[in-house]
Amino acid sequence: AQSVSQHNHHVILSEAASLELGCNYSYGGTVNLFWYVQYPGQHLQLLLKYFSGDPLVKGIKGFEAEFIKSKFSFNLRKPSVQWSDTAEYFCAVNPNTGNQFYFGTGTSLTVIP
Amino acid sequence: DAEITQSPRHKITETGRQVTLACHQTWNHNNMFWYRQDLGHGLRLIHYSYGVQDTNKGEVSDGYSVSRSNTEDLPLTLESAASSQTSVYFCASREGVNGKLFFGSGTQLSVL
Repeated sequence: AQSVSQHNHHVILSEAASLELGCNYSYGGTVNLFWYVQYPGQHLQLLLKYFSGDPLVKGIKGFEAEFIKSKFSFNLRKPSVQWSDTAEYFCAVNPNTGNQFYFGTGTSLTVIP
Repeated sequence: DAEITQSPRHKITETGRQVTLACHQTWNHNNMFWYRQDLGHGLRLIHYSYGVQDTNKGEVSDGYSVSRSNTEDLPLTLESAASSQTSVYFCASREGVNGKLFFGSGTQLSVL
């Protein structure tokens, strides 16, 4: 069965530190990839997505993610985090064969001012 | 183990029909949500509930309704299905305002 793994369950960083959240998936075919963010008290928002083309995609608020096909990974990065980045981050995979989405369990990021 | 389940996993219906998608969670969470997922749009909130008898509209609520008669269930009803409602629907629940969000596995709905 397809699965999405987010190995970092809880990350605590100081402001200005660099961020990288891991996402690995198990599916051998073509996939569309997403990162979602849920800020405290708010609903889920799309952070960025990858469908095809340049494997380095840029999203909102300075986030980017790199698709490495050989590693089945789609890690999220940000060079310098802010306190306002404190949120829950979800990786999601959509196999190109259909409309089904598979979500990781989420990574809780806490940024300390 | 506690979980959140959606049924059916797949549904094909015709335009104009009423359709109800079930969502059941066993965590006893007060907060429950329905999203639809469309390529190019990401997840969009349809309706949500913060407890029994509480329901609220999300950003794409037109054509949908929910009811919350108990803590465990938040069924989503399409009053008169339209082709534009062909989508994948996700139910989610959360323990509190800042609690972790748990998603169901999704319902793929096709309206022909």
